Amino acid sequence: AQTVTQSQPEMSVQEAETVTLSCTYDTSESDYYLFWYKQPPSRQMILVIRQEAYKQQNATENRFSVNFQKAAKSFSLKISDSQLGDAAMYFCAYRSARGAGNMLTFGGGTRLMVKP
Amino acid sequence: GAGVSQSPSNKVTEKGKDVELRCDPISGHTALYWYRQSLGQGLEFLIYFQGNSAPDKSGLPSDRFSAERTGGSVSTLTIQRTQQEDSAVYLCASSFLSEKLFFGSGTQLSVL
Repeated sequence: AQTVTQSQPEMSVQEAETVTLSCTYDTSESDYYLFWYKQPPSRQMILVIRQEAYKQQNATENRFSVNFQKAAKSFSLKISDSQLGDAAMYFCAYRSARGAGNMLTFGGGTRLMVKP
Repeated sequence: GAGVSQSPSNKVTEKGKDVELRCDPISGHTALYWYRQSLGQGLEFLIYFQGNSAPDKSGLPSDRFSAERTGGSVSTLTIQRTQQEDSAVYLCASSFLSEKLFFGSGTQLSVL
């Protein structure tokens, strides 16, 4: 079974600064997808960024980028120019490329606080 | 609809009572998922519906939990004889086949 670990329960960043959230995972599969989701107080999970394991190039979405290290099974999220609206819970998630469906395995989350 | 809709937003019940949680997915989405989020934890997969196929119930924690999806659209998650450990946020998500997941805002269930 796959597991996802987020070792930072809480992180804090100054507005306009850069912060990196860590995620490691364990799998025996070679083909899979990795995700970062944001969960604001509204509880609705919002997809931030997605990475396909077969792609060596790190995914980027505006101020959000990842550092995907397949051999190390590491998938960190970098948020540049942090904004007050970035404050939320962030979850790393894994999905196998085998079979149908979007069953995700989630990490325990990191609470990000942004200081003005 | 414009997004995934869940009701009620909050539910308080007494231990031993049955509860029903409703999910209305995005129109046209073939797949529907239920996840549970216990306090301070990540999401735990419960059940998955895809079209007319038999649901994947591998994540249901006990036989007190069941779900159905009527007409390939609305889904109801039923918890019988609720226990205090069932207290959590229950999130529903839908997608077209295996494409991007869209989540609802969840139902906060509190079992007293």
